[in-house]
Amino acid sequence: AQSVTQLDSQVPVFEEAPVELRCNYSSSVSVYLFWYVQYPNQGLQLLLKYLSGSTLVKGINGFEAEFNKSQTSFHLRKPSVHISDTAEYFCAVGSGMRQGGSEKLVFGKGTKLTVNP
Amino acid sequence: DAGVTQSPTHLIKTRGQHVTLRCSPISGHKSVSWYQQVLGQGPQFIFQYYEKEERGRGNFPDRFSARQFPNYSSELNVNALLLGDSALYLCASSLAGLPQYFGAGTRLSVL
Repeated sequence: AQSVTQLDSQVPVFEEAPVELRCNYSSSVSVYLFWYVQYPNQGLQLLLKYLSGSTLVKGINGFEAEFNKSQTSFHLRKPSVHISDTAEYFCAVGSGMRQGGSEKLVFGKGTKLTVNP
Repeated sequence: DAGVTQSPTHLIKTRGQHVTLRCSPISGHKSVSWYQQVLGQGPQFIFQYYEKEERGRGNFPDRFSARQFPNYSSELNVNALLLGDSALYLCASSLAGLPQYFGAGTRLSVL
């Protein structure tokens, strides 16, 4: 079974500071990894995804993440945050494609990022 | 192009009632998935449909059912509502396989 652990439930930072949101996963099959952002009272917006290839993935809004297979991690980073980055961030792992099976995402519990002036 | 659209945006029901939530995927997308997000938690998988057939089901009771129509839109039905069904219900679509694009959700409150 797949699972995702987001190590920090809340991360407060000051504006223009760097931030790292941590995510560890467990999976016995090929993994596909995602980061989503959720603003208050809204749905999920895809930030970035790792399907294969380069382990450093660049996403929208200046975010990037690095896939580390040996440490089973997919941490999200941004070198300089803005007030507008205040939101909840979810890491998710997807099962590999297989004929006739379902493809679903397993989400972590989320990390609430608060950017203070 | 329109993204994933869900209706209604908010819904209030009482215990024991039935509810139907609707989802229209991105044009050309044939796979629709449903997720439940309880306050303070990450979303949990309920169903996936592809080409009008159920491809997978999460750990939810039989009170939850869904279907996908020939135009690839989908409905999620929940019978005999319980207080614990109060949540944000998210629909996601993709060409096939893993969901990537989510709608804004339907917030269901059960009183």
